[in-house]
Amino acid sequence: AQSVAQPEDQVNVAEGNPLTVKCTYSVSGNPYLFWYVQYPNRGLQFLLKYITGDNLVKGSYGFEAEFNKSQTSFHLKKPSALVSDSALYFCAVRDRTRGGGNKLTFGTGTQLKVEL
Amino acid sequence: SQTIHQWPATLVQPVGSPLSLECTVEGTSNPNLYWYRQAAGRGLQLLFYSVGIGQISSEVPQNLSASRPQDRQFILSSKKLLLSDSGFYLCAWSMKGDQPQHFGDGTRLSIL
Repeated sequence: AQSVAQPEDQVNVAEGNPLTVKCTYSVSGNPYLFWYVQYPNRGLQFLLKYITGDNLVKGSYGFEAEFNKSQTSFHLKKPSALVSDSALYFCAVRDRTRGGGNKLTFGTGTQLKVEL
Repeated sequence: SQTIHQWPATLVQPVGSPLSLECTVEGTSNPNLYWYRQAAGRGLQLLFYSVGIGQISSEVPQNLSASRPQDRQFILSSKKLLLSDSGFYLCAWSMKGDQPQHFGDGTRLSIL
């Protein structure tokens, strides 16, 4: 069975500093990986995905993620954090089973807090 | 462009009452549809998904059910709510293939 781990419940960063939100995965075969962001009392917003190709994936709002097959990681990064980036971030891996409905398995989420 | 609508945004229901939450998608056809529950804290639990009209797959046993009476309509129901049904319910859709899921803004359900 596939799984995703987000080892940090919370990450604190000063505005203007780079940020990293960690994610590791476990799947059989090649992974399809996603990052989402959730603001309070809102649904999840899609940030970026890795399907195949370049290991560095660029997404919305200046975020990017680096796929590392040997470390089975897909860390979310941003060169310069903004206070408005403060939110809950989810990593997810997609079920590639035929007929599996493209289901996603989500990590437990990491709360990002960006302070002035 | 595609949009997803969920209603109501908040709902307070007594234990034992019925439930009906509705989700509709516009601007696409034959999407995959999903219902999730997010408990206090953060984890998302997939409850049901549907790959077509009348096709419902249940992920966890519970007293909830789902139906898809039309291509872009997904309904979450219960005949008798339990206290443990409280939570934040999210509907999502995706196209077939390597496409991400897109989420509605959720329904906050409180059971008294």
